[in-house]
Order: sequence, then C-alpha cells, then structure tokens
Amino acid sequence: DAGVIQSPRHEVTEMGQEVTLRCKLISGHNSLFWYRQTMMRGLELLIYFNNNVPIDDSGMPEDRFSAKMPNASFSTLKIQPSEPRDSAVYFCASSFGGSGNTIYFGEGSWLTVV
Amino acid sequence: AQSVTQLDSHVSVSEGTPVLLRCNYSSSYSPSLFWYVQHPNKGLQLLLKYTSAATLVKGINGFEAEFKKSETSFHLTKPSAHMSDAAEYFCVVSDVNAGNMLTFGGGTRLMVKP
Repeated sequence: DAGVIQSPRHEVTEMGQEVTLRCKLISGHNSLFWYRQTMMRGLELLIYFNNNVPIDDSGMPEDRFSAKMPNASFSTLKIQPSEPRDSAVYFCASSFGGSGNTIYFGEGSWLTVV
Repeated sequence: AQSVTQLDSHVSVSEGTPVLLRCNYSSSYSPSLFWYVQHPNKGLQLLLKYTSAATLVKGINGFEAEFKKSETSFHLTKPSAHMSDAAEYFCVVSDVNAGNMLTFGGGTRLMVKP
C-alpha cells in the first residue's frame, strides 16, 4: 500500500499567489482530513470529509482557504491569495469508517510564503 | 467536551533507560485513544491504539501504553530508549459523543542522550 500521497512536498511562493496542495487517499478509505502544523499553534484540523462530503470545516481559517474532493480518492486544498502567515506544514490524512478509526498521515506539504 | 493534556512538553532520557510520556484525557464516554510519533520533517505515524479491549496496548518499536480509566490516563512507556526514538509524540483522543472527532495533545518532544 502506497499510503497517503501528498504533493508538492515543498513549495515556496510569493505572497498573493495561488497555492494548490494535493492529496491521494489510501485505496478504500472514505474519510479525508486536512491538518496544518505550525510551531505556534501545533496541529490544527482544517477540514474533514466523509464520503466526499465536508462534515466539519470549522477549522478553515478564512475564505482564502478552500478544499474539495472531486472524487473518492483525491482532494485539493487551495489558498488564494496566499499570505506569509499561511507558511506551515499541511498534512493530509485518511481513514476508513470515520474519524474514530485510525487515521493515516501523509508526509506533508511544506509551504513557505514570502 | 473532550480534551487531551500531555503533561511534559519535553522529556530527556539517556539511551538504554526507560521512557515515560504522560497523557491525561477528558472524555464524556468511552474513548478511543492513540499515540502517534512524528520524526523530524516527517508525517505522523501511528504507534498504538486503545479501543476498549485490553487496557495494556502494545505498539511498534517496543512502546506500550496502559489505559487507566480511574486516573483518566494513557501514558506511553518503553523499557529502554534508543537514539532513533528521538521524536515528537502526540496523544490523541476520539469520543463517539464528540462525533468521533480526534483531539490532539500538544505533543511531547523526546530527546535521547548517548
């Protein structure tokens, strides 16, 4: 099993540019999570999908952030326009059967906005 | 509401000595509890999981944790630390009464001295 696959692994972009982070779920999983990790705030849940439907997006910082699941195995997290305070590691994670089950994390996308 | 408190933000041990990482939780019902490990520049990896079966849970790399309901604790232990154990460790709780959402502790950074 390839695990959760995230791309890009590293991105450096200028303030105001659009950033798109991508995630491929583990085959057979039906729940998808996007987390953000920073030194100041630790690990924060941004949004949680179950069966392609957003269940909880209360962690999405503001309208500049959007997440989609165009199909059952793939998700994108978009930031437009990006700001320096968005610099963080963004983790995608997936599970089968909902949030109470074990979730498996990708290696993360390291975003730097200058 | 559920919550997780990791009592030590940093723990330092010598190689070959025991490891104890402390975790207390608050949950309204019978929770599921997890420990994840994050090595530098990596994603989070599941160490072990408790889901109302045996209270002593064995995980990977020689780690284990004991669920103590009376103390609302789920401390992580290892008899003998190895240099490769140096990492950040997260205690996580999931409660069906909280919609099975995961709540992460603040993390404990384990340092292992030669």
